[in-house]
Amino acid sequence: DIVMTQSPDSLAVSLGERATIHCKSSQSVLFTSGKNSLAWYQQRPGQPPKLLIYWASTRESGVPDRFSGSGSGTDFTLTINTLQAEDVAVYYCQQYYSTPLTFGQGTKMEIK
Amino acid sequence: EVQLLQSGGGLVQPGGSLRLSCVASGFTFGKSVVNWVRQAPGRGLEWLSGITESGDSTFYVDSVKGRFTISRDNAKNTLYLQMDSLRVDDTAIYYCANGTTGFDHWGQGALVTVAS
Repeated sequence: DIVMTQSPDSLAVSLGERATIHCKSSQSVLFTSGKNSLAWYQQRPGQPPKLLIYWASTRESGVPDRFSGSGSGTDFTLTINTLQAEDVAVYYCQQYYSTPLTFGQGTKMEIK
Repeated sequence: EVQLLQSGGGLVQPGGSLRLSCVASGFTFGKSVVNWVRQAPGRGLEWLSGITESGDSTFYVDSVKGRFTISRDNAKNTLYLQMDSLRVDDTAIYYCANGTTGFDHWGQGALVTVAS
């Protein structure tokens, strides 16, 4: 199974500042197509997760452009520029390279 | 508008069974891979199972293999999860979700509580 490890577990950032979350996979999730099978989700309290990013860097329709994803192989980053109050949530990475599909443990984003 | 409407959660005793349903609308269900994901209280997300568009292939995480069965009825736009031999540690919110390159739509969740 591919193990996904996120860091940090929690993060407090001031409004308007940048937040960065890291995700590391135990093996490469890079397809021969050159695409990385890595997604990012946002989960607000009491709600189901919401897809933010897929193929490591493609923003889902309707997601604000302050959210961006980067990385390749085993190391990935979710960046939230100009943090807003509504960005308070838990963020998860997920690999869909192979079954069982696996998620990181989550990173809790708070406002400083 | 894409919707996944779940039903079937509830309280069940250890060793018991429960079936979850997820009715899809707003997209071509029969052309979509669909999945079940759960979240134990205060914990992270765990993918449980997926089923291909036709239902010919199914996939499970080891922790539920042999106890849970995923199925679909494309004529009814409905996804199912039959859960047998339930254990206390199966207590969680269960979500259905569609997509292959990430899960782009999720159900509202169904709480399953396994307790005596």
